[in-house]
Amino acid sequence: DTAVSQTPKYLVTQMGNDKSIKCEQNLGHDTMYWYKQDSKKFLKIMFSYNNKELIINETVPNRFSPKSPDKAHLNLHINSLELGDSAVYFCASSQDVRHEQYFGPGTRLTVT
Amino acid sequence: DQQVKQNSPSLSVQEGRISILNCDYTNSMFDYFLWYKKYPAEGPTFLISISSIKDKNEDGRFTVFLNKSAKHLSLHIVPSQPGDSAVYFCAGAYNQGGKLIFGQGTELSVKP
Repeated sequence: DTAVSQTPKYLVTQMGNDKSIKCEQNLGHDTMYWYKQDSKKFLKIMFSYNNKELIINETVPNRFSPKSPDKAHLNLHINSLELGDSAVYFCASSQDVRHEQYFGPGTRLTVT
Repeated sequence: DQQVKQNSPSLSVQEGRISILNCDYTNSMFDYFLWYKKYPAEGPTFLISISSIKDKNEDGRFTVFLNKSAKHLSLHIVPSQPGDSAVYFCAGAYNQGGKLIFGQGTELSVKP
């Protein structure tokens, strides 16, 4: 019955690798998001999709590419991983851009 | 430029007493505000929100107050319970794709 789920929960990888994080929501929401929580615990938005269309793209390196195959899924692909990419990544969804967002459990990415 | 600030990194309160968590913002374009609660290794959970046209919103033990002239909001929890121990994030939002701007969080500890 998980509303917003992410896989994997933990991801440890080496610099230079390419990895993906998957997100699925079963709430029937139209809007999905990716946030990054850095070592200082700040939560910052990276991307937002509404009905599979990109509507927010913050200042994020091109190595990060979100993909939304349908309204219920928003995946995050990261190329050429760097040490500074180590963080917790949260997926979220909302009914639309004017409503509260529901977050997934997070994916802790560690780049060595 | 930190648009949302939570200046108290931690707060300790006795069970049964009131917890008051504070948040200041600089962006007058925010049109609503939200409070989230976060337990370790979990995603943030939505608690309560308030529109910028209101000065108070109440939901059970949780009340949020907004002072627009001071650009300040606060979350009151009464009575506080040990299960309320968590990190609380304040966030501002404006009608631009659902982007939330988070504060850095306040860790609340409610002691029995």
